[in-house]
Amino acid sequence: EPEVTQTPSHQVTQMGQEVILRCVPISNHLYFYWYRQILGQKVEFLVSFYNNEISEKSEIFDDQFSVERPDGSNFTLKIRSTKLEDSAMYFCASSEGFLAGGHLDFGPGTRLLVL
Amino acid sequence: GQNIDQPTEMTATEGAIVQINCTYQTSGFNGLFWYQQHAGEAPTFLSYNVLDGLEEKGRFSSFLSRSKGYSYLLLKELQMKDSASYLCAVIPGANNLFFGTGTRLTVIP
Repeated sequence: EPEVTQTPSHQVTQMGQEVILRCVPISNHLYFYWYRQILGQKVEFLVSFYNNEISEKSEIFDDQFSVERPDGSNFTLKIRSTKLEDSAMYFCASSEGFLAGGHLDFGPGTRLLVL
Repeated sequence: GQNIDQPTEMTATEGAIVQINCTYQTSGFNGLFWYQQHAGEAPTFLSYNVLDGLEEKGRFSSFLSRSKGYSYLLLKELQMKDSASYLCAVIPGANNLFFGTGTRLTVIP
């Protein structure tokens, strides 16, 4: 069964450094998303992406964050200057179409630790 | 604003039935999902409701009442592997999910 993949599984970085988290969505899916989950807290929406542009973003997704689909298969999340509070599990997800009537398929996540 | 309420923790016995409730107040509503999340893993899709009523899928059923802003997930014939967090999530707008904090279910022998 096709699945969303993410790399790396774990990333440790110093505060102020840039990180790029990578995802390969399911190949026939058209909508891509990033969510994050701070340890012990709820899953939070960051951004959705469709047709090579951002379709929605949350208040969390500020100027420090950017997303890109650099080729036909990868979908990346960049954090320009990491803060301690960016430490979280970052989940990439994709959906075939609109969520209404469908569902999100999540990747296994990248655990980011900012020191 | 958006708000979803679920019990924080529940415990149930192997072989029993458990009902996990979810109430929501959101700016819009385009459907409600239930996801299962084992510790340290990604959420996995369980069910989707957009119309009032019960959706059944094997040992799992989900109910929705839009007028009451209420849903529940019913798990039958509980197994030890059902120990996990159960996340209620709503589509409040065009195409994103707003999650509740989840209910941690512990199944005991």
